Amino acid sequence: NAGVMQNPRHLVRRRGQEARLRCSPMKGHSHVYWYRQLPEEGLKFMVYLQKENIIDESGMPKERFSAEFPKEGPSILRIQQVVRGDSAAYFCASSRPGQGGLSNQPQHFGDGTRLSIL
Amino acid sequence: AQTVTQSQPEMSVQEAETVTLSCTYDTSESDYYLFWYKQPPSRQMILVIRQEAYKQQNATENRFSVNFQKAAKSFSLKISDSQLGDAAMYFCAYRTLTNFGNEKLTFGTGTRLTIIP
Repeated sequence: NAGVMQNPRHLVRRRGQEARLRCSPMKGHSHVYWYRQLPEEGLKFMVYLQKENIIDESGMPKERFSAEFPKEGPSILRIQQVVRGDSAAYFCASSRPGQGGLSNQPQHFGDGTRLSIL
Repeated sequence: AQTVTQSQPEMSVQEAETVTLSCTYDTSESDYYLFWYKQPPSRQMILVIRQEAYKQQNATENRFSVNFQKAAKSFSLKISDSQLGDAAMYFCAYRTLTNFGNEKLTFGTGTRLTIIP
């Protein structure tokens, strides 16, 4: 019963390159969340997706960042033209659908991808 | 907007002793969940305990318990019989529904807990 799988665990990019972070949710989970953790800070919500749909991207920077969760395959967080300030740990979480309103289904987190920009 | 405040950046406790980590939050909503997550040096996010706001009874999980004061918007974590493996960053988090109908977690800035052998 695999948990949330994120890869790579560590990713190093030079300024201006693209970073692709992958997240496979737990089996049976159709909701995916991406969070960013800057050094010495808590996690900050970025985006919430269901299969083939972005539901809430209110925490995503307006430029260079995009996310997808295709019908088949993992969810991808894509950062174009990376800058030093993008260095952070990026966490993915997944959950089952709720029954309407607040559900009692907790979000399960992956181990994160640590992105370092040279 | 909801905010979560952890006023103790660092705490330390002697092994086998009890320690309490504080958390306060600000919200105008009545239906929400509160969580404590543990993040060891491996950087995993591990769910420690959760509390439904509509429940008056404080949640407990083995050595971990909470003191939930809804009127005061306070949600502290008590760790009894502290063990070396409890050393980690502890994050308090608040979960509610957004205007889009999805659930979102808002985290505090964390408390780094050191266990003294």
